[in-house]
Amino acid sequence: DTGVSQDPRHKITKRGQNVTFRCDPISEHNRLYWYRQTLGQGPEFLTYFQNEAQLEKSRLLSDRFSAERPKGSFSTLEIQRTEQGDSAMYLCASSLTGGQPQHFGDGTRLSIL
Amino acid sequence: DAKTTQPPSMDCAEGRAANLPCNHSTISGNEYVYWYRQIHSQGPQYIIHGLKNNETNEMASLIITEDRKSSTLILPHATLRDTAVYYCIVRVAFSQGGSEKLVFGKGTKLTVNP
Repeated sequence: DTGVSQDPRHKITKRGQNVTFRCDPISEHNRLYWYRQTLGQGPEFLTYFQNEAQLEKSRLLSDRFSAERPKGSFSTLEIQRTEQGDSAMYLCASSLTGGQPQHFGDGTRLSIL
Repeated sequence: DAKTTQPPSMDCAEGRAANLPCNHSTISGNEYVYWYRQIHSQGPQYIIHGLKNNETNEMASLIITEDRKSSTLILPHATLRDTAVYYCIVRVAFSQGGSEKLVFGKGTKLTVNP
């Protein structure tokens, strides 16, 4: 399967800890997106990369959140000093170009104790 | 922020066609309509998209009204595995970067019954 891969699938951590998630997009896709989904809601956009450049950030992406895509391939999303409200599913998507469908991974479910 | 309106839930009998409606009355002339679905504990799965012509692929058909203010996703022979939340989406272009974000609403929970 050459779809979008996310790791880990589940993460449980204590409030105040830092967590990092990884996303491996479909290999030829140069666009990469992060979304967040809370229970009962549709996904919400967080940030967008074209190759290694982070070109868009939602106001949902507070200072505790940082995303990177250092070589234009995989991406990481780090949350520092986690809070209860950070509990959610973090989804990654990729697309070949703008205007092409975004293809999603199965997400990382974060639970804050 | 969502630019589409969908019924919160629908039921369909297995083997029958499922017709999922969506209103997007504020859609612009160059905006595509996208449909995704999400099965529990999985990421959203792309189904189909269209601009103004009807579209069909191996998963579904998309019927867009002539005024483009609404559309219908048709699953011709629904199976139990089609039980999912279906999202109708109009993409929102970024100011730079040549791409778009997907603005999801709450979608329609489709339940296919045996």
